[in-house]
Amino acid sequence: DGGITQSPKYLFRKEGQNVTLSCEQNLNHDAMYWYRQDPGQGLRLIYYSQIVNDFQKGDIAEGYSVSREKKESFPLTVTSAQKNPTAFYLCASSTPRDFSYNEQFFGPGTRLTVL
Amino acid sequence: QKEVEQDPGPLSVPEGAIVSLNCTYSNSAFQYFMWYRQYSRKGPELLMYTYSSGNKEDGRFTAQVDKSSKYISLFIRDSQPSDSATYLCAMRAGGTSYGKLTFGQGTILTVHP
Repeated sequence: DGGITQSPKYLFRKEGQNVTLSCEQNLNHDAMYWYRQDPGQGLRLIYYSQIVNDFQKGDIAEGYSVSREKKESFPLTVTSAQKNPTAFYLCASSTPRDFSYNEQFFGPGTRLTVL
Repeated sequence: QKEVEQDPGPLSVPEGAIVSLNCTYSNSAFQYFMWYRQYSRKGPELLMYTYSSGNKEDGRFTAQVDKSSKYISLFIRDSQPSDSATYLCAMRAGGTSYGKLTFGQGTILTVHP
């Protein structure tokens, strides 16, 4: 089955620790995205990548880092510099070859809690 | 002021009711309008997609876009308990290849039997 997987489903972090969230897709999509979802705030874009070895900051990139070494994978690291990391993190992918229609497919999410 | 405003609800309706969900926006560059449905503790899934102004119907769902008023709506007819979810509107400007979406806050809908 084609789709996006995220792991782990739940993650607990102590203050001062870096943690990495995994996102893998087998849809052969070029573009991948990371969003953060907080109650009552919708989804906010953290980072996105259009092609391998290239990525750009979104609206709330401070305290996060990403890499895109493979087309299928786009891991997100939440660093200790992120002041309020407790949230639901969603990974998405799309194929931007069609400039008009650009459906983003979402993974099941990772819920990160800082202890 | 947020670029996209959506009433977070919560909205509670009886089964069979017609549901109206709405978003307003301020960015005139938005040309593509989407509604996503998100069940609890799951990722969003695309429900409806509309380009520019007009209506689009898919079964019990109708999406409307009024660009002159910067207002979009999603109507659900004959609502079912399985429609209980958070509904997110999303928009993006034209002319971009990577598809950055701007989301509303999401409306929590409960349809009770």
